[in-house]
Amino acid sequence: DAEITQSPRHKITETGRQVTLACHQTWNHNNMFWYRQDLGHGLRLIHYSYGVQDTNKGEVSDGYSVSRSNTEDLPLTLESAASSQTSVYFCASSPRLAGPYNEQFFGPGTRLTVL
Amino acid sequence: AQSVSQHNHHVILSEAASLELGCNYSYGGTVNLFWYVQYPGQHLQLLLKYFSGDPLVKGIKGFEAEFIKSKFSFNLRKPSVQWSDTAEYFCAVNAGSGGSNYKLTFGKGTLLTVNP
Repeated sequence: DAEITQSPRHKITETGRQVTLACHQTWNHNNMFWYRQDLGHGLRLIHYSYGVQDTNKGEVSDGYSVSRSNTEDLPLTLESAASSQTSVYFCASSPRLAGPYNEQFFGPGTRLTVL
Repeated sequence: AQSVSQHNHHVILSEAASLELGCNYSYGGTVNLFWYVQYPGQHLQLLLKYFSGDPLVKGIKGFEAEFIKSKFSFNLRKPSVQWSDTAEYFCAVNAGSGGSNYKLTFGKGTLLTVNP
């Protein structure tokens, strides 16, 4: 079955370290998204991509970067981890941007703790 | 840019009670509307969505939502909740006609606790 996976599921790191969170989907969706979920804030968009070699900043992109070298993967990198980046991170993908079938499908999440 | 407001932060109900969760959005154009559910420790799952047509949308697990364009609202309802409905519920919106607002904007969520 097609799916979207994230790894690792849990990560503890130290302030200043570089961290990369993986996201892999097997639906062949062009559109992929990274969100962070924090209490009282809901989900906030970090970065998104509409296809290979395309990346865009979301509302909370400072300190994060993404790259899209193939359709299946959108890794999220924290260049220099900060305690404010302690959060649960969700990756999502969607087959279309507009019209029917534009809903997003979410991965299981990665819980990141920055000490 | 669009925004979403969910009125209730935490709702506590007893089993068999009726549920209505409020959601209002701000966007001047055509919208697609979604309700997602997140069970404890799990990822978000789509409950239902409105794309076009009948403003009363039926979803999974007995949930429904009504799109009222004049009120910019998309409230979620269920006639009789169960303990297993305990979860966090998120309303979300994106621009239905595309353009630069393909992004999905979420509300802050409503935590529903159903007591047995």
